[in-house]
Amino acid sequence: DIVMIQSPDSLAVSLGERATINCKSSQSVLYSSNNKNYLAWYQQKPGQPPKLLIYWASTRESGVPDRFRGSGSGTDFTLTISSLEAEDVAAYYCQQYYTNPTFGQGTRLQIK
Amino acid sequence: QVQLVQSGAEVKKPGASVKVSCKASGYIFISYEINWVRQAAGQGLEWMGWINPNSGDTGYAQKFQGRVTMTTDTSKSTAYMELSSLTSEDTAVYYCARGKVYCTTSNCHMMKWFDPWGQGSLVTVSS
Repeated sequence: DIVMIQSPDSLAVSLGERATINCKSSQSVLYSSNNKNYLAWYQQKPGQPPKLLIYWASTRESGVPDRFRGSGSGTDFTLTISSLEAEDVAAYYCQQYYTNPTFGQGTRLQIK
Repeated sequence: QVQLVQSGAEVKKPGASVKVSCKASGYIFISYEINWVRQAAGQGLEWMGWINPNSGDTGYAQKFQGRVTMTTDTSKSTAYMELSSLTSEDTAVYYCARGKVYCTTSNCHMMKWFDPWGQGSLVTVSS
């Protein structure tokens, strides 16, 4: 299985500031035949199921605010929230779908 | 709107089995795979497997092979996940989630990023 490691495990950011979450895979999730990275990001608020934010590493799901941005390729990926809002307090998970899906351990984002 | 509604909470004794249902609405049920993901309290997400409602084909994570069975009833637009030989380590919230379809100019592929998710079903295993 591909192992996904996120950093940091938790993060506190002031409102209006930038939040950055990293995700590293144990092997490349870039599929050479279509040049796409098989990586998604989810947001999970307490007591709720995960919500899809981004797929193909950088494509925002419909309805997701443009302050959420995914980047990276191969084995190293980043989720950036450009200007933190109170509603963004949640856990965030990366997931690869290059092979049988595996998730990162999650990053808990709080307000400083 | 596309929606997955799961069955309610269950309490089971060690060694028993549990069957969780996931009723789909708002889309053509047989056109998308259903996946199952679980989450123990305060822990991360663990993918268990998938089922294609059109073909009945399944794929299970190695960890659950021999212990999990995924089925569907297309007449009810409902997917089921049955887990047997339960232990306390199976105590978790179990989610169903719809996979995606990615189409190129030549064909379409079932993809395993997930949207939407069901609301979750808490399964507690306790003697």
